[in-house]
Amino acid sequence: DQQVKQNSPSLSVQEGRISILNCDYTNSMFDYFLWYKKYPAEGPTFLISISSIKDKNEDGRFTVFLNKSAKHLSLHIVPSQPGDSAVYFCAASRGLYEKLTFGTGTRLTIIP
Amino acid sequence: EPEVTQTPSHQVTQMGQEVILRCVPISNHLYFYWYRQILGQKVEFLVSFYNNEISEKSEIFDDQFSVERPDGSNFTLKIRSTKLEDSAMYFCASLDGVGTEAFFGQGTRLTVV
Repeated sequence: DQQVKQNSPSLSVQEGRISILNCDYTNSMFDYFLWYKKYPAEGPTFLISISSIKDKNEDGRFTVFLNKSAKHLSLHIVPSQPGDSAVYFCAASRGLYEKLTFGTGTRLTIIP
Repeated sequence: EPEVTQTPSHQVTQMGQEVILRCVPISNHLYFYWYRQILGQKVEFLVSFYNNEISEKSEIFDDQFSVERPDGSNFTLKIRSTKLEDSAMYFCASLDGVGTEAFFGQGTRLTVV
């Protein structure tokens, strides 16, 4: 079941530069998309979300872009900071209270 | 800041034994979930719970699994007869009725030996 895919298992970015994490999905019923950040031995922490009626949502250094026709979303972090080093999961659901389907995660490493 | 609390943080059990994983969701939340992550794999949905009943469950959530909200604050996941392949991190999550993001607990690492 690969309904949500993150094709890059890892990404390294210089501190201060932009980090771009990508996510693709196949289920056209998905209506709500979220990014979670996860440190080892901790639970996922919510970062930012977007509903299918929008194509962009910003929150501070984090921006999520949604391209519904391509079934693609991306998370931009700018500027990247060392504390951003973590595993980032893309997740999707068919509605606000529905189960989340997660991608496999991308390990982001910010190089000082 | 309110948080979802899970106990224990780590549980080791023998194959065939029953385990109960406990969660205290955020107090005004109405929707409750269990997810798990087997080492090296993605986080996967187990079950959702609303209004004192299961609203959805995955194929993983077979007859060996059950959930309960016994006292209006705790939310438990019981595995009746554990198998080696149940070894994973189990995450509880809760969501309020306004439809914001799900908040996750820090997880319980279950090791079945």
